[in-house]
Amino acid sequence: AQSVTQLDSHVSVSEGTPVLLRCNYSSSYSPSLFWYVQHPNKGLQLLLKYTSAATLVKGINGFEAEFKKSETSFHLTKPSAHMSDAAEYFCVVSDSWKTSYDKVIFGPGTSLSVIP
Amino acid sequence: KAGVTQTPRYLIKTRGQQVTLSCSPISGHRSVSWYQQTPGQGLQFLFEYFSETQRNKGNFPGRFSGRQFSNSRSEMNVSTLELGDSALYLCASRETGATVQFFGPGTRLTVL
Repeated sequence: AQSVTQLDSHVSVSEGTPVLLRCNYSSSYSPSLFWYVQHPNKGLQLLLKYTSAATLVKGINGFEAEFKKSETSFHLTKPSAHMSDAAEYFCVVSDSWKTSYDKVIFGPGTSLSVIP
Repeated sequence: KAGVTQTPRYLIKTRGQQVTLSCSPISGHRSVSWYQQTPGQGLQFLFEYFSETQRNKGNFPGRFSGRQFSNSRSEMNVSTLELGDSALYLCASRETGATVQFFGPGTRLTVL
């Protein structure tokens, strides 16, 4: 069965310092993995996706994530945090995004705060 | 292209009432999915529509229903509202065969 664990419910960093948001997943098959961001009172925006191509995935706004099958992890990183990065981040796993939405599992979310 | 739009953005209802939420997908997108987001349960899949047919349904009671029109616009309906239905309801659309969903801003439903 699929599951997603986001290891930190809240992360706080200073502006200009690196960001690390951790995600571990469990999947019976070769999963597709996604990171979405949600700013207050907004919908979700795709940051990046992994679909069995390169294990290091680059996304928008300087974010990237590395798929590590041996560790079943898909951590999100950014070298230097910006105030506008403060938001809720969701790790998402899907065994087959194209065919069955009830197999799409959202993690509980990590709230990122950026201190000036 | 315009993004996914949802109306209304905010709604206040009382227990026992019913409510209808609307979603207009990105032009050309035929798949529309609905999600419920609450602080306690997080994001949960409600259902997905494609070409006016419900293709998948999440684990929600029958009070939650939806439909899709020929222009791909979708509505979801919740009958006999309960306090626990207070949530942000998100709609997402995608192109046929695509892996990426585009989300609307959501409708914030408050049940008193």
